[in-house]
Amino acid sequence: SAVISQKPSRDICQRGTSLTIQCQVDSQVTMMFWYRQQPGQSLTLIATANQGSEATYESGFVIDKFPISRPNLTFSTLTVSNMSPEDSSIYLCSVRTAGGPGEQFFGPGTRLTVL
Amino acid sequence: KQEVTQIPAALSVPEGENLVLNCSFTDSAIYNLQWFRQDPGKGLTSLLLIQSSQREQTSGRLNASLDKSSGRSTLYIAASQPGDSATYLCAVASNRDDKIIFGKGTRLHILP
Repeated sequence: SAVISQKPSRDICQRGTSLTIQCQVDSQVTMMFWYRQQPGQSLTLIATANQGSEATYESGFVIDKFPISRPNLTFSTLTVSNMSPEDSSIYLCSVRTAGGPGEQFFGPGTRLTVL
Repeated sequence: KQEVTQIPAALSVPEGENLVLNCSFTDSAIYNLQWFRQDPGKGLTSLLLIQSSQREQTSGRLNASLDKSSGRSTLYIAASQPGDSATYLCAVASNRDDKIIFGKGTRLHILP
């Protein structure tokens, strides 16, 4: 298994600002992902964070809005840029500890409210 | 495109009852299926992972089954307790694109 921590756990931000969310894993992992969970909805994959290269974004998500860094095998950041109230969601970091579609683990999430 | 459906969307049962949550998926080309629990405003806790070659997995009072050919999985919770109250999510890992697709979840409320 993997123990995942996220910072901040929650934040309230003003429209037009940006927030960077950090994800730290207690062991080296092959794959890291960022998900969004809008109120009352299930999880939607934003992107796969690739170590040492640009993230792979899902349809509907772009790098300018959600820049992602992954400098090593245990750490990643997601920035939510130029925020609007529609960005109010829980943002979750997730990892797989083995290559291929093994068991997936999730961090505690970051609850973002944009006013 | 893989679609994952969970029925019912919400369920309330008295404490002590056994219950079944259902998950169906449209594309049987899967690597595995995973059941998660999510408490309000929190992250996801992995409950059970079933590989595509397996038929079921058990952990304590939880038993998950998988029928890949019919595109169905069930999560059986025995002797339910108020602490089981949460949203239960089913997620399917596709072997076509290495992504996992989530259902919308079942909100479970166990009445004391």
